[in-house]
Amino acid sequence: RKEVEQDPGPFNVPEGATVAFNCTYSNSASQSFFWYRQDCRKEPKLLMSVYSSGNEDGRFTAQLNRASQYISLLIRDSKLSDSATYLCVVNRGDKLIFGTGTRLQVFP
Amino acid sequence: DAGITQSPRHKVTETGTPVTLRCHQTENHRYMYWYRQDPGHGLRLIHYSYGVKDTDKGEVSDGYSVSRSKTEDFLLTLESATSSQTSVYFCAISTSGGANTGELFFGEGSRLTVL
Repeated sequence: RKEVEQDPGPFNVPEGATVAFNCTYSNSASQSFFWYRQDCRKEPKLLMSVYSSGNEDGRFTAQLNRASQYISLLIRDSKLSDSATYLCVVNRGDKLIFGTGTRLQVFP
Repeated sequence: DAGITQSPRHKVTETGTPVTLRCHQTENHRYMYWYRQDPGHGLRLIHYSYGVKDTDKGEVSDGYSVSRSKTEDFLLTLESATSSQTSVYFCAISTSGGANTGELFFGEGSRLTVL
């Protein structure tokens, strides 16, 4: 079992839809959490950090559930430009663990 | 823009040849990293550096060496390339300090094919 697991997708959604991804992690000692976005054949870019209280940045909301050991990313009012792969990253304290990503495809 | 450039961006080489990838940053950040990305795997750390001449191994360091003789340059060398080292290599820097901060800025990647 991978230490960080993501549904690979693809999630195919129409413009304007709300879509949510989950990421589960197995190490309860994990300390901090992040979502990255990676466009096809490009480098990953930090989308947002995930705080215990949850955080929101425009159309994006990230949540952490320590009891169930997962983080989530909610995207509201999806845009064509949101089409990308979303990587979950967990800081275990001694190392960063990257998920393999969830692919989102937004169609007109 | 964190001012990271990687070179070469694309390279095709043959098994057994040496290959060096270069990562250059313009902002004097202390921590620099080399990752590889392969289908079915998350990004995996090869080596990292926490200062000039200070480097350490990551989880997939076998077959790779690194050097950092200047703050701005972090070199990744494959002494004798193998087909299993065909991958996309990303350099990253940490702007917030700490070896394991999750806030990284990545270079554009170097796509290496070993025939």
